Amino acid sequence: DAGVTQSPTHLIKTRGQHVTLRCSPISGHKSVSWYQQVLGQGPQFIFQYYEKEERGRGNFPDRFSARQFPNYSSELNVNALLLGDSALYLCASSSTAVSGNTIYFGEGSWLTVV
Amino acid sequence: GNSVTQMEGPVTLSEEAFLTINCTYTATGYPSLFWYVQYPGEGLQLLLKATKADDKGSNKGFEATYRKETTSFHLEKGSVQVSDSAVYFCALSPPPGGYQKVTFGTGTKLQVIP
Repeated sequence: DAGVTQSPTHLIKTRGQHVTLRCSPISGHKSVSWYQQVLGQGPQFIFQYYEKEERGRGNFPDRFSARQFPNYSSELNVNALLLGDSALYLCASSSTAVSGNTIYFGEGSWLTVV
Repeated sequence: GNSVTQMEGPVTLSEEAFLTINCTYTATGYPSLFWYVQYPGEGLQLLLKATKADDKGSNKGFEATYRKETTSFHLEKGSVQVSDSAVYFCALSPPPGGYQKVTFGTGTKLQVIP
């Protein structure tokens, strides 16, 4: 069975531009979360979505938004990119929205803002 | 709020040496505890987990015991291999009732030399 898949794997954007990252969860998983991992640090929680509704949001500015589709795939959008947005963006899926349940990560999307 | 503290790296060991990576946490109630591993250029893979006090998680020769009295979840392996070289993240998920916001430590880089 396929794991969590993300696209694109690498991309380069210019300051001020917009980016869309995509994620397909493990088959049967209805919860998708997004994390930002800056080089040399641990991942930081951005959003959790379950059944197309936002369940939780981390301490990120409104330039970050996301949505979940009826097939449970998800998009993360970042507007007005800053140099500090350069990071690995990780998507994770889980079978339920319940805290404590294991989340499984994809390989991530490497975003470089120049 | 919740937090995870890991020993700083890098940790450099010779092949077949004993490994300990310390992890302590701050959280209310009984969180679930995880160790994830990240190989160069890849996403995070779940290594092991424990969901209640005194539980021992184990996988691929790695072990960690959930110690409520010391709020710790130290990772151990009796004999490391060169292929174990990676970054290891300790993480916690709040007790059931909240959303899935996983809090990660900053990671500990392990280098195993032949």
